[in-house]
Amino acid sequence: KAGVTQTPRYLIKTRGQQVTLSCSPISGHRSVSWYQQTPGQGLQFLFEYFSETQRNKGNFPGRFSGRQFSNSRSEMNVSTLELGDSALYLCASSSLPGTGGEQFFGPGTRLTVL
Amino acid sequence: DAKTTQPPSMDCAEGRAANLPCNHSTISGNEYVYWYRQIHSQGPQYIIHGLKNNETNEMASLIITEDRKSSTLILPHATLRDTAVYYCIVRALGETSGSRLTFGEGTQLTVNP
Repeated sequence: KAGVTQTPRYLIKTRGQQVTLSCSPISGHRSVSWYQQTPGQGLQFLFEYFSETQRNKGNFPGRFSGRQFSNSRSEMNVSTLELGDSALYLCASSSLPGTGGEQFFGPGTRLTVL
Repeated sequence: DAKTTQPPSMDCAEGRAANLPCNHSTISGNEYVYWYRQIHSQGPQYIIHGLKNNETNEMASLIITEDRKSSTLILPHATLRDTAVYYCIVRALGETSGSRLTFGEGTQLTVNP
């Protein structure tokens, strides 16, 4: 079974631009979560989607948004990029949220904002 | 979710058992203990989880104290590839929790040859 895939793997943007990151969950998984990882803040939860609906949201500004499609693929968008948005963005998928099963993480997208 | 405390770093000799402690003294009765690890620049990887009984799988063993206020992850025969940051996470299950994981700072385990 193919793992979680994220595209692109690396991205360089400048301040003020916007960016869209994509995540394809494991086949059959309907829950997708997004995390941001920075050296200063560690791994922080951004949001979670299940059946095309946002179920949970972390403490991030409205510049961070996401969506999920009917095939469970998910995208996250960051508008008006700031230098502090430079981070590794990780996507995780699981079969059903809240049921305790393991989550499978993708390799991440490394975003650099100049 | 309950807060966890882990030592920032540990060393282990290759082939020996690695015992990684985690303190979660404020854990609630419905909260599980999860362990994930992250090898440098990769996505975290699930290792094991448990509620109150000890658990074992092909990767590791999880020992939870009777009062559930602490636990230990055991890698029975550590290899160089086990060098990673290990995260102990406590979370409740259910609709409101969803799949959200709250990561702390974890323990950097270095396995030495």
